[in-house]
Formats: sequence, C-alpha cells, structure tokens
Amino acid sequence: ETGVTQTPRHLVMGMTNKKSLKCEQHLGHNAMYWYKQSAKKPLELMFVYNFKEQTENNSVPSRFSPECPNSSHLFLHLHTLQPEDSALYLCASSQEGEGTGGYEQYFGPGTRLTVT
Amino acid sequence: GQNIDQPTEMTATEGAIVQINCTYQTSGFNGLFWYQQHAGEAPTFLSYNVLDGLEEKGRFSSFLSRSKGYSYLLLKELQMKDSASYLCAVRDSNYQLIWGAGTKLIIKP
Repeated sequence: ETGVTQTPRHLVMGMTNKKSLKCEQHLGHNAMYWYKQSAKKPLELMFVYNFKEQTENNSVPSRFSPECPNSSHLFLHLHTLQPEDSALYLCASSQEGEGTGGYEQYFGPGTRLTVT
Repeated sequence: GQNIDQPTEMTATEGAIVQINCTYQTSGFNGLFWYQQHAGEAPTFLSYNVLDGLEEKGRFSSFLSRSKGYSYLLLKELQMKDSASYLCAVRDSNYQLIWGAGTKLIIKP
C-alpha cells in the first residue's frame, strides 16, 4: 500500500448506528487530518493530530469522535448522526516541522457517507 | 473573518488556455496551495507559492501577489483530462489551511 488509504469507501448508516472510518498513511508523516467535504462548499477541517496529539477541534459535534493510536493511523468514530452529516469524509497527512510552515497535504480517496 | 474567493465554474476549449483566479483575506499568510480534484477522487497537490511571482510546472503555472491577496492558476494546452475542480488554499498565521470552495473546470472539445 502506498500513500493514504481510507476504508470503507462508501457507508450508509441509520441515525442510531455506530460506525468507524479508518485512515492509514504510508508516507512517514507526523500530522493527520479529518476533513468534511459537502457539495459546493469549502473543505471543512474537523480534527488535526500532530505528533499524535490532537491540536485542533473546530467546534465539531460530539457525535464525531477521533482517535489516533499512532502516527500512521487515524479513526473517526460516528454515532447518532444526522442526515446533514452526509458528505465525503477525507483524511490527509503531511510532514509538519516544529515552528515552521508545513508542506502539502496528501489526501486519501475519502469515505462517501450517507445517513438515512 | 477569513475568506477565499474563486469562481464557481468555468468552461474552456480543448487546446486553449484558462486562468483560474483566487483572492484571499486571511489572518496572516504562510503560503498558497492549488489542488486538483477529479469527481469522486481525492484532491491532489498541484503547486505551492510563498513568494511573489510565477511558478511554472509543465502545462500548469501559478502566480502570487501577496500585496493584492491574489493568485491564479494558469493551464495551457488544455486536455479533456483537465476537467476537474481546482481548489485554492491559504496557510494562515496559525499554519492552518483555509480552503476555497473550488472552481469546476469544464473542458469542451
């Protein structure tokens, strides 16, 4: 496997279900991100993990719960979602330097989530 | 607030040249990125500008003017495979990426 992988690629879930999205990066990067992408809207940054520490949580509802067990893996746990949470969820990674600007982010193919 | 503006959609002809503009207002500036995203796929990195001027990479070039808060992506010798969305993103003073909504480019034969 190379780059950034995400599973599953498609997910349909009811509002009472609990599911998890998985992301793995094979690039040796030290930062990982979860984004939400809705049609015709900018990418919304949800969570950032830098050196396995969560550094950003942009007012994301608690029904989304991230987990970063190590620098290569990132999960997004989902529970009691709403229909408006239906979107493409993208994972990305980058190599960030301490106190300096980082470089480009590499994205996974995304999980297309539909909440019914 | 922070804002990135780019046109929603553009149409161009195969073999021609197209320029996609991006204007930004952010708290600080630490570089501007352009990404390409084909429908149903992940965004892929195209270019990075942190100093004023033009960066050329094959058929694609990106220009930056920090004083004007302005960038453009120039695509030459357009091919059908260039049909995609092009995303502009600015790294702010906190080193976070602020994203535009993307420009959907349609290439016609």
